[in-house]
Amino acid sequence: SQTIHQWPATLVQPVGSPLSLECTVEGTSNPNLYWYRQAAGRGLQLLFYSVGIGQISSEVPQNLSASRPQDRQFILSSKKLLLSDSGFYLCAWSPGLAGGIEQFFGPGTRLTVL
Amino acid sequence: QQQVKQSPQSLIVQKGGISIINCAYENTAFDYFPWYQQFPGKGPALLIAIRPDVSEKKEGRFTISFNKSAKQFSLHIMDSQPGDSATYFCAALAGYSTLTFGKGTMLLVSP
Repeated sequence: SQTIHQWPATLVQPVGSPLSLECTVEGTSNPNLYWYRQAAGRGLQLLFYSVGIGQISSEVPQNLSASRPQDRQFILSSKKLLLSDSGFYLCAWSPGLAGGIEQFFGPGTRLTVL
Repeated sequence: QQQVKQSPQSLIVQKGGISIINCAYENTAFDYFPWYQQFPGKGPALLIAIRPDVSEKKEGRFTISFNKSAKQFSLHIMDSQPGDSATYFCAALAGYSTLTFGKGTMLLVSP
């Protein structure tokens, strides 16, 4: 069966520091991968999605970037964090064209920028 | 056109009652409508989904009703339980594009 991992689970970072959040998927190949942000009590904002290695689409211009160095690895980064980057970051995957459209979320990373 | 409007924003239901959450959309290209359940501090979990070729889908106590002509769909939770207390998101998808989510409904089922 497929599983999705995110780490770290929680993170407290000072303003201006760098960020690296990692997401990996097991049990599938060539998944579509997604990064979402969820502010407290708010909905889901799609940040980036990827349909393959090195292919990244950005939905919202911002202080963040994403990379997909391997088929089942998705990384969210920032060079300098802002207070407004605080939130709950969710990685998700879907089977893609070959296997279906259902989208499955990871456990999330709670980021607090102070 | 890409929006999915979800209501209510929050909902309190007595144990054993029926919880109803509604969503409406404009984009007629949407052809897949999932619902997600999210507990505090956890990622959303796919609960149930429907295609527009059927008007209703039921899984246990959860039912999606779909009205294609009105461009509306709703989630009904029968015999609501305190364990159902969570945030529920509707979403819509056109083809193999990205999901468009509603803003969520916080459901509280009182004992």
